[in-house]
Amino acid sequence: EAGVAQSPRYKIIEKRQSVAFWCNPISGHATLYWYQQILGQGPKLLIQFQNNGVVDDSQLPKDRFSAERLKGVDSTLKIQPAKLEDSAVYLCASSFGSSRAGELFFGEGSRLTVL
Amino acid sequence: AQSVTQPDIHITVSEGASLELRCNYSYGATPYLFWYVQSPGQGLQLLLKYFSGDTLVQGIKGFEAEFKRSQSSFNLRKPSVHWSDAAEYFCAVGAGKLTFGTGTRLTIIP
Repeated sequence: EAGVAQSPRYKIIEKRQSVAFWCNPISGHATLYWYQQILGQGPKLLIQFQNNGVVDDSQLPKDRFSAERLKGVDSTLKIQPAKLEDSAVYLCASSFGSSRAGELFFGEGSRLTVL
Repeated sequence: AQSVTQPDIHITVSEGASLELRCNYSYGATPYLFWYVQSPGQGLQLLLKYFSGDTLVQGIKGFEAEFKRSQSSFNLRKPSVHWSDAAEYFCAVGAGKLTFGTGTRLTIIP
């Protein structure tokens, strides 16, 4: 079974530039999550999708971050404009849904460095 | 609000020795509890989970955890660690929306 795919693995940009990360979840997983993991901290949920609808985006900085999940499959997370404090690993995860809530499968992450 | 505390930032254990990583949680109802492991440059992998029932749960790689409601704890244990267990360990609570602790970095010495 293929895992959660993310790209790019690494990205270096200057502040005020934009960046986009892509995620393809495990086939059949209805729920998709984007987490932000700052160095030395645990992952923090940015946004949760159920199929192509947003379930929770309460911690997404909407003035600069946006995310979409077209057709309820893959997803894109965008940051524009980036700030220094956005340097982090962006983790995508997916799950079957409420029947196995919390059993998330994570991708390897996209490491962003903002200079 | 749900929260997780992992009081140990870094633990060093000799290979072959036993291990216990601490986790305390705050949750309004019966918690769903998880331990994830993250190797360098990798995503998180689920070690084990507690939803209900038996309070001692077994996971992959020889790990186990015990849910103690009275202590709001879900400590991770392994009787004998291997060098390959060196990684970052995260405790998490929630249903769907997971809240993670800050992690415990495990170092194994020969």
